[in-house]
Amino acid sequence: DGGITQSPKYLFRKEGQNVTLSCEQNLNHDAMYWYRQDPGQGLRLIYYSQIVNDFQKGDIAEGYSVSREKKESFPLTVTSAQKNPTAFYLCASSIRGQNFDEQYFGPGTRLTVT
Amino acid sequence: QQQVKQSPQSLIVQKGGISIINCAYENTAFDYFPWYQQFPGKGPALLIAIRPDVSEKKEGRFTISFNKSAKQFSLHIMDSQPGDSATYFCAATSRGGNQGGKLIFGQGTELSVKP
Repeated sequence: DGGITQSPKYLFRKEGQNVTLSCEQNLNHDAMYWYRQDPGQGLRLIYYSQIVNDFQKGDIAEGYSVSREKKESFPLTVTSAQKNPTAFYLCASSIRGQNFDEQYFGPGTRLTVT
Repeated sequence: QQQVKQSPQSLIVQKGGISIINCAYENTAFDYFPWYQQFPGKGPALLIAIRPDVSEKKEGRFTISFNKSAKQFSLHIMDSQPGDSATYFCAATSRGGNQGGKLIFGQGTELSVKP
């Protein structure tokens, strides 16, 4: 069963704590992405990675960190420096090459920080 | 110049009617325009996409119309059904350069199809 998995579906944390969101894909895609979704604001790019051991900041990277040690995995850490961490977080992947721009999304993780 | 502006923010259509969502962009380097459909609590799913070498693409009840000179593209949902009720996002990207496939998303349109 191929696809993108994100865990957990719901996550609750206290303010001041770092939290790591998991994203795994078995589609053999080279590129992976993290987006944040807030009501009425569409999807905003946090970080992306085109290849293992390399990643770039997106439009709203402040307060977030990522790693890409394996092709299949692209975990996102929401640090205590992120001022408004409560949001719906989406991971996506795409294959490089002819159709590299077709991004496939995971089911998302809803993070609530209180 | 990197923005994609989407309208309307919300749309209510009767069953069987036509739903129309519009998007506009400014970056003439954009050369790939996908539409995504998202149901509540789920991730977006690619619905249909168009490249600027064609003016229209149709897949079932879903059609993208593209106007390169006006830098606008729109999604038409024919014979809208209650099951089409979802949030729709347009997006754009430039395949060239070092963009890494970055998609620029519109703000989203919440569609509600009334039975």
